[in-house]
Amino acid sequence: DAGVIQSPRHEVTEMGQEVTLRCKPISGHDYLFWYRQTMMRGLELLIYFNNNVPIDDSGMPEDRFSAKMPNASFSTLKIQPSEPRDSAVYFCASSLKGYEVNEQFFGPGTRLTVL
Amino acid sequence: AQSVTQLDSQVPVFEEAPVELRCNYSSSVSVYLFWYVQYPNQGLQLLLKYLSGSTLVKGINGFEAEFNKSQTSFHLRKPSVHISDTAEYFCAVSAGNKLTFGGGTRVLVKP
Repeated sequence: DAGVIQSPRHEVTEMGQEVTLRCKPISGHDYLFWYRQTMMRGLELLIYFNNNVPIDDSGMPEDRFSAKMPNASFSTLKIQPSEPRDSAVYFCASSLKGYEVNEQFFGPGTRLTVL
Repeated sequence: AQSVTQLDSQVPVFEEAPVELRCNYSSSVSVYLFWYVQYPNQGLQLLLKYLSGSTLVKGINGFEAEFNKSQTSFHLRKPSVHISDTAEYFCAVSAGNKLTFGGGTRVLVKP
């Protein structure tokens, strides 16, 4: 398996623009997680899905952020409009259902810079 | 709710020396415990995990960790580090479907 795939790997945009980050989880995994990593706040869970349904979005910072999972093999995280404080590395992770549900497999991340 | 504290933000260590990274957690329920490693410009990789059973857990790359319930700790150790162990290490705790990560410990291995 290719592991969790994220695109793009790097994104540079200007304040006010819409940004869409993409994730393809490992085939057969039931859970998908979106994280944000910054120097100031460390690794934060933004939202997670189970069987394509959003379960907990309490970590989503504000209405500018939205996430979707239209099918089992694809998810997006959208920021509209983007702001400089959104600059961070965004990780997608997936995991299996069952007792090992918490063993999460991470993608390489998308480094977002908002100017 | 659970929380994780990694007591050292940075640990410099010489090559072939031992290293210990400290992790304390708090939780009102039984938890699973994990250590992840993040190499520069990469995502996190699982080093080892404690789900149940033996309190001494062995992971990849020669790392091991010991679960101590009374002290609510899960410290990570390696008896002899290599240059390639330079990375950031994250302790994590879960109850339910979510992982809560500590702030990370940067390990810099010097020749």
